[in-house]
Amino acid sequence: GAVVSQHPSRVICKSGTSVKIECRSLDFQATTMFWYRQFPKQSLMLMATSNEGSKATYEQGVEKDKFLINHASLTLSTLTVTSAHPEDSSFYICSAWGDRGTYEQYFGPGTRLTVT
Amino acid sequence: GENVGLHLPTLSVQEGDNSIINCAYSNSASDYFIWYKQESGKGPQFIIDIRSNMDKRQGQRVTVLLNKTVKHLSLQIAATQPGDSAVYFCAENTAYSGAGSYQLTFGKGTKLSVIP
Repeated sequence: GAVVSQHPSRVICKSGTSVKIECRSLDFQATTMFWYRQFPKQSLMLMATSNEGSKATYEQGVEKDKFLINHASLTLSTLTVTSAHPEDSSFYICSAWGDRGTYEQYFGPGTRLTVT
Repeated sequence: GENVGLHLPTLSVQEGDNSIINCAYSNSASDYFIWYKQESGKGPQFIIDIRSNMDKRQGQRVTVLLNKTVKHLSLQIAATQPGDSAVYFCAENTAYSGAGSYQLTFGKGTKLSVIP
């Protein structure tokens, strides 16, 4: 299967600071990357979809100015949580899709963000 | 499916027994369904998928059944092992994301606990 990595795996930051999370497809070109957020004991909720070279499309209720997404290359997308607050503490997961002849998305291992 | 509530449904099974995890999906137009396994602190792991032109698909120790009439999906795990303990999510492809990919909508999830 295809491999997707995320960095960092865990991050703790202070309220008001910004945090960048990277998502990389290691062995395929990801035309589309998705960002999800997961709160404890809940399901994955799609935050945004980004196609390489285009602006991200955000789901309803997700602030695009707070969650900045950049997908500048076919192997890297970044999510920056700006002016983080404790309520932004969550598990952030990316997935990647590339032209491999399948609908399957390949998921990263997730990033645990804690805002103090 | 909807993501409501803070308590995941739980299924407890004895090691060696078969497990059946159910999922109701929401979109009758969805044509691709996937089951994921998620261990604590990790990203979702692909288990098996099925397209809407099929009603059954088998993998290694797992079987997925699709009933489009009632919009129901099930995952059967044969001879359940302690390593199968995790949260299981069904997902359906919903909206077209552009560039050939589709967004996924995740179900609520079921926590499977295997009793040794």
